[in-house]
Amino acid sequence: ETGVTQTPRHLVMGMTNKKSLKCEQHLGHNAMYWYKQSAKKPLELMFVYNFKEQTENNSVPSRFSPECPNSSHLFLHLHTLQPEDSALYLCASSQDDRGNTEAFFGQGTRLTVV
Amino acid sequence: GQQLNQSPQSMFIQEGEDVSMNCTSSSIFNTWLWYKQDPGEGPVLLIALYKAGELTSNGRLTAQFGITRKDSFLNISASIPSDVGIYFCAGTTQGGSEKLVFGKGTKLTVNP
Repeated sequence: ETGVTQTPRHLVMGMTNKKSLKCEQHLGHNAMYWYKQSAKKPLELMFVYNFKEQTENNSVPSRFSPECPNSSHLFLHLHTLQPEDSALYLCASSQDDRGNTEAFFGQGTRLTVV
Repeated sequence: GQQLNQSPQSMFIQEGEDVSMNCTSSSIFNTWLWYKQDPGEGPVLLIALYKAGELTSNGRLTAQFGITRKDSFLNISASIPSDVGIYFCAGTTQGGSEKLVFGKGTKLTVNP
């Protein structure tokens, strides 16, 4: 247990569906992150939130829409995705968004777009 | 963006052998972190390094922050089957955005 919980663990969705990924951290951290992990690629940072404010959007397509209602919860809303969006989506948290603090990851959501 | 060169990409070893992997960059790093990822799971932090020359152990794992601040290595001694997984290095660069940059990972297979 890393203190970061993601749900669901697995998700299969059609290209016209709308779904949401959820992340919750119990570490008292102030920064939360979404990463995408595709086969044979490095981890790709998507979004960063610090104290509920988005501090980084790494040129992510608008079909991915993040939401951070408080420092403990992070959502990733998905709509009209493409098959190439199939990947493992990882949430992480750290004390703040300055990289000198360790990031702790959730178990990920395995997303398959059909 | 910043690039981390992690090697080797994969390793196949016998149980009981020692393992060494490393990460290098052309940039100076302020932080080096080593993670392990099991299949279908998220990365788990193994060791964090914050000072050039720092050598830190976590059980059978030892990692060092290179003196030049451009590299780090991870050693695993007396490997066991549960060491199987993908090991990632990550770090933050001096003068950079201070966001974690990840290597592509080293996939370790341990034959019993």
